[in-house]
Amino acid sequence: AQSVSQHNHHVILSEAASLELGCNYSYGGTVNLFWYVQYPGQHLQLLLKYFSGDPLVKGIKGFEAEFIKSKFSFNLRKPSVQWSDTAEYFCAVNAGNAGNMLTFGGGTRLMVKP
Amino acid sequence: SQTIHQWPATLVQPVGSPLSLECTVEGTSNPNLYWYRQAAGRGLQLLFYSVGIGQISSEVPQNLSASRPQDRQFILSSKKLLLSDSGFYLCACTGTSLNEQFFGPGTRLTVL
Repeated sequence: AQSVSQHNHHVILSEAASLELGCNYSYGGTVNLFWYVQYPGQHLQLLLKYFSGDPLVKGIKGFEAEFIKSKFSFNLRKPSVQWSDTAEYFCAVNAGNAGNMLTFGGGTRLMVKP
Repeated sequence: SQTIHQWPATLVQPVGSPLSLECTVEGTSNPNLYWYRQAAGRGLQLLFYSVGIGQISSEVPQNLSASRPQDRQFILSSKKLLLSDSGFYLCACTGTSLNEQFFGPGTRLTVL
């Protein structure tokens, strides 16, 4: 069965610092990859996704992620974080299963200090 | 675009009591529907999914069950709640792309 690992459970940064959140998955076939974000008190929402093509994908709010197939990774990055980026971030993988199910990582709580 | 409604938003129930959480979807037809449970520090765990009316697949053995009586209605139930059923329950649906899921606001269940 596929699994998704997010190694950073809690991250604390100051505003303007750069961010990189790690995500690794354990499926060897074709995958669709996602990053979701959950701001305090809000719905889980899609930040960005990778289906095919350019492995560097850009999402909303200045976030980007790079798919590195050889490393089974899909790390999330942002060059300069803001206080409003404080949220929980989830990496997810869809390995083309029958129900298009997503397997989620454990999440990373990001706190940005003003 | 699709909108997902979940109710109730919060629920406190005693151990051994029944449960019924409802999810309804607007703005799309024949979606795949999903129930997830989010436990603190443990990400989202898929509980059930449905690709059509009356079709339910369970991902983990548990005390809960799901039903899909209508195309855009998905219900999570239990006959007797356990303490371990406490958590945050999220309903999700696919949109025009079956590869992408959209999430509802969730129900926070506390079993005492």
